[in-house]
Amino acid sequence: GQQVMQIPQYQHVQEGEDFTTYCNSSTTLSNIQWYKQRPGGHPVFLIQLVKSGEVKKQKRLTFQFGEAKKNSSLHITATQTTDVGTYFCAGNSGGSNYKLTFGKGTLLTVNP
Amino acid sequence: DVKVTQSSRYLVKRTGEKVFLECVQDMDHENMFWYRQDPGLGLRLIYFSYDVKMKEKGDIPEGYSVSREKKERFSLILESASTNQTSMYLCASSLVPRWGSTNYGYTFGSGTRLTVV
Repeated sequence: GQQVMQIPQYQHVQEGEDFTTYCNSSTTLSNIQWYKQRPGGHPVFLIQLVKSGEVKKQKRLTFQFGEAKKNSSLHITATQTTDVGTYFCAGNSGGSNYKLTFGKGTLLTVNP
Repeated sequence: DVKVTQSSRYLVKRTGEKVFLECVQDMDHENMFWYRQDPGLGLRLIYFSYDVKMKEKGDIPEGYSVSREKKERFSLILESASTNQTSMYLCASSLVPRWGSTNYGYTFGSGTRLTVV
């Protein structure tokens, strides 16, 4: 079945440093989504990418979808303590029922 | 504010009990999902439903069943709870993708932390 691998598993940074998490799928994706889960919270939808090579920005967050639609990345510029949490990617291979396969997530901790 | 509501935040049950976890969404979403989340294992899909009375097995359905009698409500049932079902259970809902729609992210509930003793 479809697998979505995410690296790194953990990342600790100093406040102000940049952070990147990478997501790779074993199959071509029709779209990819990113979620953030704060400690003790539930996953919250951040963004969806659909087009090959697509790049989207949300303030300090930049999301990319690979040309082959099999990989994606999330880059945070100048991290802040509010960025702490686990970031998940989730891919969909198509089909009518829209079932996502989630990566295991990257836990980001930020030292103030 | 649209949301997904899970009936209990914390639950403690005994081994062998039948356990019901309830989830209600107010967004008129067609799709509903049950995941469990465990450290190091991420989010694993148990069951999902794409319409009333319709259901499909996810990746780890063993020991679970589901019920969707109404569009807004999706119930997860542990037929005979076991200690290895101690976990955080997350319900989610989403729209079915339609042409021209660009936002069909999942909306998650706050989760139910179930402990089976």
